[in-house]
Amino acid sequence: AQSVTQLDSQVPVFEEAPVELRCNYSSSVSVYLFWYVQYPNQGLQLLLKYLSGSTLVKGINGFEAEFNKSQTSFHLRKPSVHISDTAEYFCAVSGGFKTIFGAGTRLFVKA
Amino acid sequence: DSGVTQTPKHLITATGQRVTLRCSPRSGDLSVYWYQQSLDQGLQFLIQYYNGEERAKGNILERFSAQQFPDLHSELNLSSLELGDSALYFCASSSRGGFQYFGAGTRLSVL
Repeated sequence: AQSVTQLDSQVPVFEEAPVELRCNYSSSVSVYLFWYVQYPNQGLQLLLKYLSGSTLVKGINGFEAEFNKSQTSFHLRKPSVHISDTAEYFCAVSGGFKTIFGAGTRLFVKA
Repeated sequence: DSGVTQTPKHLITATGQRVTLRCSPRSGDLSVYWYQQSLDQGLQFLIQYYNGEERAKGNILERFSAQQFPDLHSELNLSSLELGDSALYFCASSSRGGFQYFGAGTRLSVL
């Protein structure tokens, strides 16, 4: 069985500050890991993915995430956020045929 | 544009009625997934089809059913609608690799 926990439901941050959105997972099998972003009134869009190889994954819009197998984490980071990054972010884990999504983290970027 | 098309974009209906939501996956994708997103429940996986066959089932009510047709498009049927069924319904498709491309969603309002 797999599970995903996003540790923060909301993260407020000022523009140009760094941000980290935390994600922990559990799984009994090897997994693929993803971050999706959902802007208001839109569907989910793939931000980045970890399938294998380098544990530091770079995605779109300046985001990156690091896969840490020993801590079963896949935290999302951005060194300097913009107002336009305000959205909901979902961590997801895929193993076998199922993909499990976390509850989401709402990122608020303030001017 | 994700390449996944959902129709209609909005649907307003009354309690007790039945509706059908339609999804056309990205060209070449054999897997189709359905999700329900509401404010109180978050993003809930409903069901997955792969090349016409049911592959995985999530929190799908008995009043809901889905199918995937030979041309790979999928329909989600919701019957005996209740106020609590009001939500955004997303379809996603994927090829091998696990990550999913999401449609823009159908917003269902049950009055």
